Amino acid sequence: ETGVTQTPRHLVMGMTNKKSLKCEQHLGHNAMYWYKQSAKKPLELMFVYSLEERVENNSVPSRFSPECPNSSHLFLHLHTLQPEDSALYLCASSQSWTGGGTGELFFGEGSRLTVL
Amino acid sequence: SQQGEEDPQALSIQEGENATMNCSYKTSINNLQWYRQNSGRGLVHLILIRSNEREKHSGRLRVTLDTSKKSSSLLITASRAADTASYFCATADTGFQKLVFGTGTRLLVSP
Repeated sequence: ETGVTQTPRHLVMGMTNKKSLKCEQHLGHNAMYWYKQSAKKPLELMFVYSLEERVENNSVPSRFSPECPNSSHLFLHLHTLQPEDSALYLCASSQSWTGGGTGELFFGEGSRLTVL
Repeated sequence: SQQGEEDPQALSIQEGENATMNCSYKTSINNLQWYRQNSGRGLVHLILIRSNEREKHSGRLRVTLDTSKKSSSLLITASRAADTASYFCATADTGFQKLVFGTGTRLLVSP
């Protein structure tokens, strides 16, 4: 079993829908991340949480809303998305945010999102 | 922000051959990391090399780092079909303090 679990693995939604992506880590890590991976583009860091506190928000549109209720769980709430938001959304964790998150990242398998 | 750029973008080899991928970056770094991603899956950490290290080995992987040229290479020896994947370098900028990923090298190893 992977240390970082993401659900659902695939999601298709209309532009007016509201859905959520879920991430759970079983590694005892203190930092969790959301990344967006689009075709032929570098991985884009979206949000970082350290000890349940948001420490990074990389100018992400408000239609993406993260939530970190505890250090093991991370959600990405989605509403009124656009077709260009279709991508693979990856959750990751690391031991800590100390040093700005430059240590090893452990990724989940990703949630493939398609916005119609 | 700085970004590691991998070269080549795609590489096709036969099983048993060695595969070399390169990564160039722009500014001073704390460390450089290599990750692997199978199609449609998450990234898996392969190796981390710190700025004061020049070479590191892990199994069939060999990573070198040349900070004067701001470049790194990943060598996979005796490749296998199961090595088929995309490989990404990620740099930890001393100032930016976050990992920044490149666009990756797609490696295809044919039996």
